[in-house]
Amino acid sequence: NAGVTQTPKFQVLKTGQSMTLQCAQDMNHNSMYWYRQDPGMGLRLIYYSASEGTTDKGEVPNGYNVSRLNKREFSLRLESAAPSQTSVYFCASSEDGNQPQHFGDGTRLSIL
Amino acid sequence: EDKVVQSPLSLVVHEGDTVTLNCSYEVTNFRSLLWYKQEKKAPTFLFMLTSSGIEKKSGRLSSILDKKELFSILNITATQTGDSAIYLCAVELPGTYKYIFGTGTRLKVLA
Repeated sequence: NAGVTQTPKFQVLKTGQSMTLQCAQDMNHNSMYWYRQDPGMGLRLIYYSASEGTTDKGEVPNGYNVSRLNKREFSLRLESAAPSQTSVYFCASSEDGNQPQHFGDGTRLSIL
Repeated sequence: EDKVVQSPLSLVVHEGDTVTLNCSYEVTNFRSLLWYKQEKKAPTFLFMLTSSGIEKKSGRLSSILDKKELFSILNITATQTGDSAIYLCAVELPGTYKYIFGTGTRLKVLA
């Protein structure tokens, strides 16, 4: 049982490049989330999707877009990467809101 | 502003010690508070607390919530080197799907 799978695990980009981080869950969860984790800042919510077909902004949405492609998949796109977006990105899912979230192993993203 | 503060920021103990990690929050009327353990990669779920005064236990770990005083504690007894990790606390914003995370407590257990 894979749980939450994120790809890629590592990526280095140049400023201005775009890329999409992929996330898929196999637990039939309704809700999915994208977080970033920076030293001394804890986990901060970027976007979330309460259910298939809906998305909403979290604490730090600027510079990002998301797509809830279907119930399983929730992708995060950086249109024009900036050094401030260097971080570790985590995807998570939960059965519904107010339920424990299950996290993927993260994507370490560096922007030069 | 909604805020979750964890203390201490870091802690070094020896195997066999008991530790108490604190999580205080400035969020009212939330439904749940969660504790996670993060080793090298993904945070893993430990406890979900929804009611004040009811202790949850799992082996050597236990946690309790005080909604009146707005804090929660996570206790680990007879610590082992495998308990070395960052422990994260998160509180749900009322009526949303959003959780606010604290910055975590980094625990190191020495053999």
